Amino acid sequence: GAGVSQSPSNKVTEKGKDVELRCDPISGHTALYWYRQSLGQGLEFLIYFQGNSAPDKSGLPSDRFSAERTGGSVSTLTIQRTQQEDSAVYLCASSSMWETQYFGPGTRLLVL
Amino acid sequence: KQEVTQIPAALSVPEGENLVLNCSFTDSAIYNLQWFRQDPGKGLTSLLLIQSSQREQTSGRLNASLDKSSGRSTLYIAASQPGDSATYLCAVLGEAAGNKLTFGGGTRVLVKP
Repeated sequence: GAGVSQSPSNKVTEKGKDVELRCDPISGHTALYWYRQSLGQGLEFLIYFQGNSAPDKSGLPSDRFSAERTGGSVSTLTIQRTQQEDSAVYLCASSSMWETQYFGPGTRLLVL
Repeated sequence: KQEVTQIPAALSVPEGENLVLNCSFTDSAIYNLQWFRQDPGKGLTSLLLIQSSQREQTSGRLNASLDKSSGRSTLYIAASQPGDSATYLCAVLGEAAGNKLTFGGGTRVLVKP
């Protein structure tokens, strides 16, 4: 089947606006992850879902960031009141537990 | 806190030469280590995954070794080709880190024709 898909592929927004990023994991993968890749910062973990619950939200940088997952499938990462430092590539990955994580192509977010 | 380091940060070699990419991690309590490739503007492609009980994994021209006790992994790419040009990232799944990967900063590789 298809790999991990993410939408939109690119998003330009104005500072202060809210954005929603979507991730469709590989069918049957119970685990879903969000990472952020910023210029000069490398790849950092944001949040991890097992089924619909998020046992680890430790990487969310502020309370402006939230994520949910429904039906054990699609996940949405929401950033409220975006700031310029939120500009980055947001990557989603999915896996069976403890196995290889497969990454989507990412959403490139630019906050003006 | 797990820290993953990749040296060198960038590498340029002529076509045909073997590539050696290094990854080190500070906490040896890991479940597995994974090597990824990232092309400019693209997502990550998984290359190899080595479980903590394994010493190496091979796939075609790629071979990755793991020395868990010393906190090191090496990715070897034999007979490099221009198409191997990309950034290579290693990531560890630590026992204390739940199910999240900790990434190194990557090695940017350029294979010159």
